[in-house]
Amino acid sequence: DVKVTQSSRYLVKRTGEKVFLECVQDMDHENMFWYRQDPGLGLRLIYFSYDVKMKEKGDIPEGYSVSREKKERFSLILESASTNQTSMYLCASSEGQGRQPQHFGDGTRLSIL
Amino acid sequence: AQTVTQSQPEMSVQEAETVTLSCTYDTSESDYYLFWYKQPPSRQMILVIRQEAYKQQNATENRFSVNFQKAAKSFSLKISDSQLGDAAMYFCAYRRGNNDMRFGAGTRLTVKP
Repeated sequence: DVKVTQSSRYLVKRTGEKVFLECVQDMDHENMFWYRQDPGLGLRLIYFSYDVKMKEKGDIPEGYSVSREKKERFSLILESASTNQTSMYLCASSEGQGRQPQHFGDGTRLSIL
Repeated sequence: AQTVTQSQPEMSVQEAETVTLSCTYDTSESDYYLFWYKQPPSRQMILVIRQEAYKQQNATENRFSVNFQKAAKSFSLKISDSQLGDAAMYFCAYRRGNNDMRFGAGTRLTVKP
Protein backbone atom coordinates (compact mmCIF):
# COMPACT_ATOMS: atom_id res chain seq x y z
CA ASP A 1 0.00 0.00 0.00
CA VAL A 2 1.40 3.37 -1.00
CA LYS A 3 2.29 5.73 1.77
CA VAL A 4 3.19 9.35 2.32
CA THR A 5 4.21 9.91 5.92
CA GLN A 6 4.46 13.25 7.63
CA SER A 7 6.53 13.16 10.79
CA SER A 8 4.08 15.02 13.04
CA ARG A 9 0.30 15.33 13.13
CA TYR A 10 0.39 18.27 15.52
CA LEU A 11 3.21 20.69 16.24
CA VAL A 12 3.43 23.76 18.43
CA LYS A 13 6.34 26.16 18.05
CA ARG A 14 7.22 29.70 19.09
CA THR A 15 7.65 32.80 16.98
CA GLY A 16 11.17 33.08 15.60
CA GLU A 17 11.97 29.38 15.86
CA LYS A 18 13.31 27.42 12.91
CA VAL A 19 10.80 24.71 12.14
CA PHE A 20 11.25 21.54 10.11
CA LEU A 21 8.36 19.57 8.66
CA GLU A 22 9.38 16.21 7.30
CA CYS A 23 7.72 14.09 4.65
CA VAL A 24 8.70 10.64 3.42
CA GLN A 25 7.19 8.61 0.57
CA ASP A 26 7.81 4.94 -0.12
CA MET A 27 6.72 4.81 -3.76
CA ASP A 28 9.90 6.02 -5.46
CA HIS A 29 7.97 8.97 -6.85
CA GLU A 30 9.85 11.71 -8.67
CA ASN A 31 7.53 14.52 -7.63
CA MET A 32 6.81 15.82 -4.18
CA PHE A 33 4.74 18.77 -3.04
CA TRP A 34 4.17 20.92 0.00
CA TYR A 35 0.76 22.59 0.31
CA ARG A 36 -0.71 24.85 2.90
CA GLN A 37 -4.43 24.42 3.71
CA ASP A 38 -6.38 27.29 5.27
CA PRO A 39 -10.14 27.64 5.81
CA GLY A 40 -11.77 29.48 2.93
CA LEU A 41 -8.61 29.33 0.82
CA GLY A 42 -8.31 25.66 -0.05
CA LEU A 43 -4.86 24.28 -0.80
CA ARG A 44 -2.07 26.52 -1.98
CA LEU A 45 1.23 25.22 -3.29
CA ILE A 46 4.31 26.30 -1.36
CA TYR A 47 7.01 24.32 -3.17
CA PHE A 48 7.28 21.53 -5.70
CA SER A 49 10.22 19.18 -6.27
CA TYR A 50 10.58 17.05 -9.41
CA ASP A 51 13.85 15.34 -8.50
CA VAL A 52 16.55 15.19 -5.89
CA LYS A 53 17.91 18.68 -5.19
CA MET A 54 15.46 20.17 -7.73
CA LYS A 55 12.72 22.51 -6.57
CA GLU A 56 10.36 25.12 -7.89
CA LYS A 57 8.46 27.82 -6.05
CA GLY A 58 4.72 27.56 -5.84
CA ASP A 59 2.20 30.29 -5.15
CA ILE A 60 3.27 31.17 -1.62
CA PRO A 61 6.98 30.41 -1.08
CA GLU A 62 7.74 33.48 1.04
CA GLY A 63 8.97 32.54 4.49
CA TYR A 64 9.59 28.92 3.51
CA SER A 65 12.40 26.87 2.06
CA VAL A 66 12.66 23.20 1.17
CA SER A 67 15.25 20.46 1.03
CA ARG A 68 15.31 17.29 -1.00
CA GLU A 69 18.58 15.48 -0.47
CA LYS A 70 17.09 12.02 -1.05
CA LYS A 71 14.33 11.00 -3.42
CA GLU A 72 12.03 9.73 -0.69
CA ARG A 73 12.28 12.72 1.65
CA PHE A 74 11.05 16.28 1.18
CA SER A 75 11.45 18.73 4.04
CA LEU A 76 9.70 22.06 4.50
CA ILE A 77 11.59 24.63 6.55
CA LEU A 78 10.23 27.72 8.22
CA GLU A 79 13.38 29.78 8.71
CA SER A 80 11.87 32.06 11.37
CA ALA A 81 8.35 31.02 12.23
CA SER A 82 5.67 33.67 12.45
CA THR A 83 2.09 33.50 13.72
CA ASN A 84 0.69 33.86 10.20
CA GLN A 85 2.27 30.52 9.36
CA THR A 86 -0.11 28.75 11.72
CA SER A 87 -1.87 26.34 9.37
CA MET A 88 -2.36 22.79 8.16
CA TYR A 89 0.49 21.59 5.96
CA LEU A 90 0.02 18.77 3.48
CA CYS A 91 2.73 16.81 1.72
CA ALA A 92 1.98 14.90 -1.47
CA SER A 93 3.78 12.88 -4.11
CA SER A 94 3.25 11.76 -7.68
CA GLU A 95 5.06 9.89 -10.42
CA GLY A 96 5.93 10.91 -13.94
CA GLN A 97 5.52 14.27 -15.58
CA GLY A 98 2.84 16.69 -14.55
CA ARG A 99 2.16 18.55 -11.36
CA GLN A 100 -0.86 16.63 -10.14
CA PRO A 101 -0.49 15.27 -6.61
CA GLN A 102 -1.51 11.63 -6.40
CA HIS A 103 -0.96 10.61 -2.80
CA PHE A 104 -1.24 12.82 0.24
CA GLY A 105 0.04 12.57 3.77
CA ASP A 106 -2.19 12.95 6.81
CA GLY A 107 -1.16 16.56 7.29
CA THR A 108 0.65 18.47 10.03
CA ARG A 109 -1.33 21.00 12.00
CA LEU A 110 1.23 23.62 12.97
CA SER A 111 0.58 26.29 15.58
CA ILE A 112 2.98 29.18 16.01
CA LEU A 113 2.58 30.95 19.34
CA ALA B 1 -4.82 33.38 -13.36
CA GLN B 2 -7.19 30.49 -13.20
CA THR B 3 -9.50 30.43 -10.20
CA VAL B 4 -11.80 27.78 -8.82
CA THR B 5 -14.92 28.74 -6.87
CA GLN B 6 -16.92 26.53 -4.57
CA SER B 7 -19.88 28.61 -3.48
CA GLN B 8 -21.16 26.22 -0.80
CA PRO B 9 -18.94 26.22 2.30
CA GLU B 10 -21.17 23.59 3.91
CA MET B 11 -23.75 21.10 2.71
CA SER B 12 -25.72 18.36 4.39
CA VAL B 13 -27.54 15.34 3.08
CA GLN B 14 -29.64 12.59 4.55
CA GLU B 15 -28.17 9.12 4.37
CA ALA B 16 -29.21 7.29 1.17
CA GLU B 17 -30.20 10.52 -0.59
CA THR B 18 -28.43 12.42 -3.36
CA VAL B 19 -26.45 15.62 -3.01
CA THR B 20 -24.77 17.88 -5.55
CA LEU B 21 -21.71 19.99 -4.80
CA SER B 22 -21.08 22.99 -7.03
CA CYS B 23 -17.86 24.20 -8.61
CA THR B 24 -17.16 26.88 -11.17
CA TYR B 25 -13.84 27.86 -12.63
CA ASP B 26 -12.37 30.63 -14.67
CA THR B 27 -10.14 29.91 -17.64
CA SER B 28 -9.54 31.03 -21.19
CA GLU B 29 -8.06 27.67 -22.13
CA SER B 30 -9.82 24.89 -24.01
CA ASP B 31 -7.74 21.95 -22.86
CA TYR B 32 -7.49 21.26 -19.16
CA TYR B 33 -8.36 18.82 -16.40
CA LEU B 34 -10.81 19.03 -13.54
CA PHE B 35 -10.82 17.03 -10.33
CA TRP B 36 -12.77 16.39 -7.16
CA TYR B 37 -10.81 15.44 -4.05
CA LYS B 38 -12.20 14.12 -0.78
CA GLN B 39 -10.61 14.81 2.60
CA PRO B 40 -12.25 12.80 5.41
CA PRO B 41 -11.83 14.06 8.98
CA SER B 42 -8.27 13.41 10.15
CA ARG B 43 -7.56 11.26 7.12
CA GLN B 44 -5.67 11.56 3.88
CA MET B 45 -7.00 13.43 0.90
CA ILE B 46 -7.89 11.18 -1.99
CA LEU B 47 -8.86 11.72 -5.60
CA VAL B 48 -12.54 10.99 -6.20
CA ILE B 49 -13.00 11.70 -9.87
CA ARG B 50 -11.27 13.35 -12.81
CA GLN B 51 -12.56 14.89 -16.03
CA GLU B 52 -10.66 15.82 -19.17
CA ALA B 53 -12.08 18.94 -20.77
CA TYR B 54 -11.91 17.51 -24.27
CA LYS B 55 -14.25 14.68 -23.29
CA GLN B 56 -17.92 15.48 -23.57
CA GLN B 57 -18.97 12.44 -21.59
CA ASN B 58 -19.30 13.08 -17.89
CA ALA B 59 -16.99 11.02 -15.69
CA THR B 60 -18.49 8.49 -13.30
CA GLU B 61 -16.99 6.47 -10.44
CA ASN B 62 -19.54 4.23 -8.76
CA ARG B 63 -21.84 6.52 -6.74
CA PHE B 64 -19.91 9.64 -7.77
CA SER B 65 -20.59 11.42 -11.03
CA VAL B 66 -19.95 14.86 -12.43
CA ASN B 67 -21.97 17.29 -14.49
CA PHE B 68 -19.41 19.03 -16.68
CA GLN B 69 -20.73 22.09 -18.48
CA LYS B 70 -17.76 23.43 -20.44
CA ALA B 71 -19.41 26.51 -21.85
CA ALA B 72 -20.69 27.50 -18.43
CA LYS B 73 -17.37 26.56 -16.80
CA SER B 74 -19.20 24.47 -14.27
CA PHE B 75 -18.12 21.15 -12.77
CA SER B 76 -20.51 19.82 -10.13
CA LEU B 77 -20.18 16.56 -8.20
CA LYS B 78 -23.20 14.37 -7.58
CA ILE B 79 -23.08 11.80 -4.82
CA SER B 80 -25.87 9.22 -5.03
CA ASP B 81 -27.09 7.00 -2.21
CA SER B 82 -25.04 8.99 0.31
CA GLN B 83 -23.30 7.03 3.02
CA LEU B 84 -21.96 8.08 6.41
CA GLY B 85 -18.45 7.55 5.06
CA ASP B 86 -19.02 10.26 2.47
CA ALA B 87 -18.80 12.92 5.19
CA ALA B 88 -15.71 14.97 4.36
CA MET B 89 -14.32 18.15 2.90
CA TYR B 90 -14.58 18.09 -0.87
CA PHE B 91 -12.23 20.14 -3.01
CA CYS B 92 -12.69 20.98 -6.64
CA ALA B 93 -9.45 21.50 -8.57
CA TYR B 94 -8.27 22.58 -12.02
CA ARG B 95 -5.07 21.92 -13.89
CA ARG B 96 -3.89 22.92 -17.35
CA GLY B 97 -0.98 21.13 -18.96
CA ASN B 98 2.06 21.02 -16.73
CA ASN B 99 0.93 23.90 -14.57
CA ASP B 100 0.13 23.71 -10.88
CA MET B 101 -3.21 22.51 -9.59
CA ARG B 102 -5.66 25.21 -8.52
CA PHE B 103 -7.94 24.25 -5.67
CA GLY B 104 -11.25 25.68 -4.56
CA ALA B 105 -11.93 26.63 -0.95
CA GLY B 106 -13.75 23.38 -0.27
CA THR B 107 -17.25 22.25 0.74
CA ARG B 108 -17.80 20.48 4.04
CA LEU B 109 -20.36 17.70 3.56
CA THR B 110 -22.28 16.34 6.52
CA VAL B 111 -24.25 13.10 6.18
CA LYS B 112 -27.16 12.70 8.58
CA PRO B 113 -28.18 9.20 9.64
